Amino acid sequence: SQQGEEDPQALSIQEGENATMNCSYKTSINNLQWYRQNSGRGLVHLILIRSNEREKHSGRLRVTLDTSKKSSSLLITASRAADTASYFCATDASGSARQLTFGSGTQLTVLP
Amino acid sequence: SQTIHQWPATLVQPVGSPLSLECTVEGTSNPNLYWYRQAAGRGLQLLFYSVGIGQISSEVPQNLSASRPQDRQFILSSKKLLLSDSGFYLCAWSVGSWGPLHFGNGTRLTVT
Repeated sequence: SQQGEEDPQALSIQEGENATMNCSYKTSINNLQWYRQNSGRGLVHLILIRSNEREKHSGRLRVTLDTSKKSSSLLITASRAADTASYFCATDASGSARQLTFGSGTQLTVLP
Repeated sequence: SQTIHQWPATLVQPVGSPLSLECTVEGTSNPNLYWYRQAAGRGLQLLFYSVGIGQISSEVPQNLSASRPQDRQFILSSKKLLLSDSGFYLCAWSVGSWGPLHFGNGTRLTVT
């Protein structure tokens, strides 16, 4: 079964607004990663947060991790039309990339 | 810098025909290599991974096989395609086993 599940499945916002996507998982993890996928393209790694970290920033991205609730959130601030994409969380329980489990993704649409 | 090439971008093949998808990585040595499949609107399913030349691990029983004839070359094959083999196939690499993953742009395979 899927380890990470994103919520919502789809999100539509206006340019300039913030977008928040959530990821829930079931078992203990070593780290959690967020990826972005433009339509018909490969995934691009955005950020990795380790189980002993609670928050991480990268440009307009902010990721939080709550291991007690087994959840993570990805916040994109001041969104742009170019942020339109699918966003996936991926969890691993063993520290091995071959054990990564991807969720089904959140489709973000940013309207100009 | 490292780059990953995956081809072809799209492929339409009849049921029962063979398949060969190729992936090459440049700018890094001894990468871990991965083949994923993505169904429409879904997350990624790991099919094969390789930690070295000739070393292939299969994650899911498939009508597919993988080979790594050279350090930075990873090939996905099938002797006889099934309709259920249709999907979006993604090649990826990582440094060691702990990621993050770097993806190619994928091959859209349609089996008719």
